[in-house]
Amino acid sequence: NAGVTQTPKFQVLKTGQSMTLQCAQDMNHNSMYWYRQDPGMGLRLIYYSASEGTTDKGEVPNGYNVSRLNKREFSLRLESAAPSQTSVYFCASSESGYQETQYFGPGTRLLVL
Amino acid sequence: AQSVAQPEDQVNVAEGNPLTVKCTYSVSGNPYLFWYVQYPNRGLQFLLKYITGDNLVKGSYGFEAEFNKSQTSFHLKKPSALVSDSALYFCAVRDDRGSGYALNFGKGTSLLVTP
Repeated sequence: NAGVTQTPKFQVLKTGQSMTLQCAQDMNHNSMYWYRQDPGMGLRLIYYSASEGTTDKGEVPNGYNVSRLNKREFSLRLESAAPSQTSVYFCASSESGYQETQYFGPGTRLLVL
Repeated sequence: AQSVAQPEDQVNVAEGNPLTVKCTYSVSGNPYLFWYVQYPNRGLQFLLKYITGDNLVKGSYGFEAEFNKSQTSFHLKKPSALVSDSALYFCAVRDDRGSGYALNFGKGTSLLVTP
């Protein structure tokens, strides 16, 4: 039981390049999330998927797109990377419900030059 | 919207002393509150949560948190700190804006436990 896995662990991009961050969970959770973590700002929600086949914008969605490929996988795409997207990206999953715990992946550290 | 605040950027404690990491919340309706810990270059690990019931919640690694409705606080505590407790701690509250049960996080508090 690996929990939530993310690839890659670290990536360097040049401004304007594109990339996809991969996330998978093996806990059969309905809900999945992408957050970004910036120093002094906590974690902010980029996109979420409440269930397979649905995706919605969070607090900071500009410059990103997502795909809920199936129940296990939820990817985050940067179409044209900008230096402002330099951050640590975390994927998380949970069962549906206010009382349910979210479980986080190890993160992807992204540097955009 | 539901929100939490962590008033301290850093907390310094000597090993063996009790520690407290503060969190206050602002919610409409029932608060669903969580504490997570992040070690360097790692993901967030769940410590404990308050859903309903007892105001004292016990969690992983000897941590506990006290829910105080009158003071709208949910402080994280440990009776005797360890050097290995040094990490970044996040308080979070469940969002109620239809965001698929996402969490709203505080800015984090860095805990440093010195030998």
